[in-house]
Amino acid sequence: GAGVSQSPRYKVTKRGQDVALRCDPISGHVSLYWYRQALGQGPEFLTYFNYEAQQDKSGLPNDRFSAERPEGSISTLTIQRTEQRDSAMYRCASSLQGQLGSPLHFGNGTRLTVT
Amino acid sequence: QQQVKQSPQSLIVQKGGISIINCAYENTAFDYFPWYQQFPGKGPALLIAIRPDVSEKKEGRFTISFNKSAKQFSLHIMDSQPGDSATYFCAASGTSGTYKYIFGTGTRLKVLA
Repeated sequence: GAGVSQSPRYKVTKRGQDVALRCDPISGHVSLYWYRQALGQGPEFLTYFNYEAQQDKSGLPNDRFSAERPEGSISTLTIQRTEQRDSAMYRCASSLQGQLGSPLHFGNGTRLTVT
Repeated sequence: QQQVKQSPQSLIVQKGGISIINCAYENTAFDYFPWYQQFPGKGPALLIAIRPDVSEKKEGRFTISFNKSAKQFSLHIMDSQPGDSATYFCAASGTSGTYKYIFGTGTRLKVLA
């Protein structure tokens, strides 16, 4: 498809388990963002890549969260030792150029539920 | 200082009416202000955006009004239609540092037929 693809669509995990969320951006898009969206809230910035370089990880809540984009395309957001408060919709977005005014294209998200 | 405050939280408008959603920001480094539209089960999609060098931008039935001195901007939807029923998010970004977008909390719009 031509859009941003995220997998899995839904993930239910037990507290304490590690999870890996995958994002496949639009082909050729330089920038890739991870956001977290709680129900009824706006997207909350987590981290951002230009190509394979992580430009900003200031939004990652704590050191249990990490992200990588090793070849400048697909990205993985990993949450270690999950906690119930990690339950949310995790959204990936990509943009053509890492510059102001380049629109974000969001995926449909991964709904994470930690039980 | 990184927040973007959005109001109202929800809005009900009659078909053909005008929908108005407001946002305010604090960080003067912000210089790009997009609005995103989100339908249930989907990711947000860019609707319209403005830079602070203009006070208004219009695209079809959608208009952004921007007040730089007040650090406020708003979305106007003219002739609102039931198909406009969605959640709308304002956002802000700037050229200082990285181009991360800070989003408002969203406005759920319902247009009655």
